[in-house]
Amino acid sequence: SQQGEEDPQALSIQEGENATMNCSYKTSINNLQWYRQNSGRGLVHLILIRSNEREKHSGRLRVTLDTSKKSSSLLITASRAADTASYFCATDVGFQKLVFGTGTRLLVSP
Amino acid sequence: SQTIHQWPATLVQPVGSPLSLECTVEGTSNPNLYWYRQAAGRGLQLLFYSVGIGQISSEVPQNLSASRPQDRQFILSSKKLLLSDSGFYLCAWSGPAGATGELFFGEGSRLTVL
Repeated sequence: SQQGEEDPQALSIQEGENATMNCSYKTSINNLQWYRQNSGRGLVHLILIRSNEREKHSGRLRVTLDTSKKSSSLLITASRAADTASYFCATDVGFQKLVFGTGTRLLVSP
Repeated sequence: SQTIHQWPATLVQPVGSPLSLECTVEGTSNPNLYWYRQAAGRGLQLLFYSVGIGQISSEVPQNLSASRPQDRQFILSSKKLLLSDSGFYLCAWSGPAGATGELFFGEGSRLTVL
């Protein structure tokens, strides 16, 4: 079963705009991770935030985590056409397992 | 550096035929290994994971099986494929217990069952 649900399912923006994706999950977690998938390719890890952290930055990426609401958000600032991809959140629920959400499809138009 | 290889990249098989997808990891020891399946336009479903040779945990009961004959080799198999087995299969590895938990994915195997 899916642990995480991303919102929105699809997002279309112009280059230079910011993109925000949200993830909600159901159970306690050790950490939450965000991945990117280009069409027809494998997933690539973007950023990990631990359950005791509230915010983390990596380049143009900003991730927040609210464990009381069981939610996380991924912000991509100053989007580029090359950011076009699907983005997934994944929760570490223990026992060496990562459970993925349903993904947000991001389209950045030039 | 660590690399992960997954093959074949594309496979078209008739219903009822067998399946074997292979995944190998290089440059690391004692990795955790995972098989995920992704239906078209959907998220990833965890099928199997392994924390060591011969140790396989199944997440979804179905006609698929997994084996880990060597430390860095993970194989996904089926004796008789169903139409519902079609999908994009992804192998991944992570460090052993105590590591960050970040997964490193292969490029995937697209299976079409006709």
